[in-house]
Amino acid sequence: AQSVTQLDSQVPVFEEAPVELRCNYSSSVSVYLFWYVQYPNQGLQLLLKYLSGSTLVKGINGFEAEFNKSQTSFHLRKPSVHISDTAEYFCAVRTISGNTPLVFGKGTRLSVIA
Amino acid sequence: NAGVTQTPKFRILKIGQSMTLQCAQDMNHNYMYWYRQDPGMGLKLIYYSVGAGITDKGEVPNGYNVSRSTTEDFPLRLELAAPSQTSVYFCASSYLRTSSTDTQYFGPGTRLTVL
Repeated sequence: AQSVTQLDSQVPVFEEAPVELRCNYSSSVSVYLFWYVQYPNQGLQLLLKYLSGSTLVKGINGFEAEFNKSQTSFHLRKPSVHISDTAEYFCAVRTISGNTPLVFGKGTRLSVIA
Repeated sequence: NAGVTQTPKFRILKIGQSMTLQCAQDMNHNYMYWYRQDPGMGLKLIYYSVGAGITDKGEVPNGYNVSRSTTEDFPLRLELAAPSQTSVYFCASSYLRTSSTDTQYFGPGTRLTVL
């Protein structure tokens, strides 16, 4: 079975500062990795995903994430945040083989302070 | 395309009442999912479907039922509502041809309160 740990439940950061949201996963088989974002009172939308190839993945709104297989991590970063980035961010995994559903972490609430 | 739509947006139920949460997608996706989201707990999978007529349990199926008679619709049924079912419910869909194409698209959610 797969599991996802998001190490910070809440991250406050000042506007224009950099941010890193941490995600670690556990799996006995190879996985795909995802970051989803949920803006207030909305559903989730895909931010970026890692399937294969380059370990640095670029997503929408200036976010990027780096897959580190040895550390089983997939941390999300943005060099300069905006007020509009205030949202909840979810890391998720699924196995490469088979049609298994996504397994989500508990989420990290990013609050950008003016 | 409307994407994934859910109705109602809000609902208050009394203990023991029943209701159906509706979910529809117009993207011809084969996979559909139901999740519940509780504060600080992330998303938990209730049921999912890999195609019309095929459903499977997720992590937290107790107290819920689903059916998938068409590709477009995937309703979630609560038979005897309990306070523990107070949550926000999200429906999602994806087109799984190969694992790499599996991006889930989410509906706006239904906020359910059971009193």
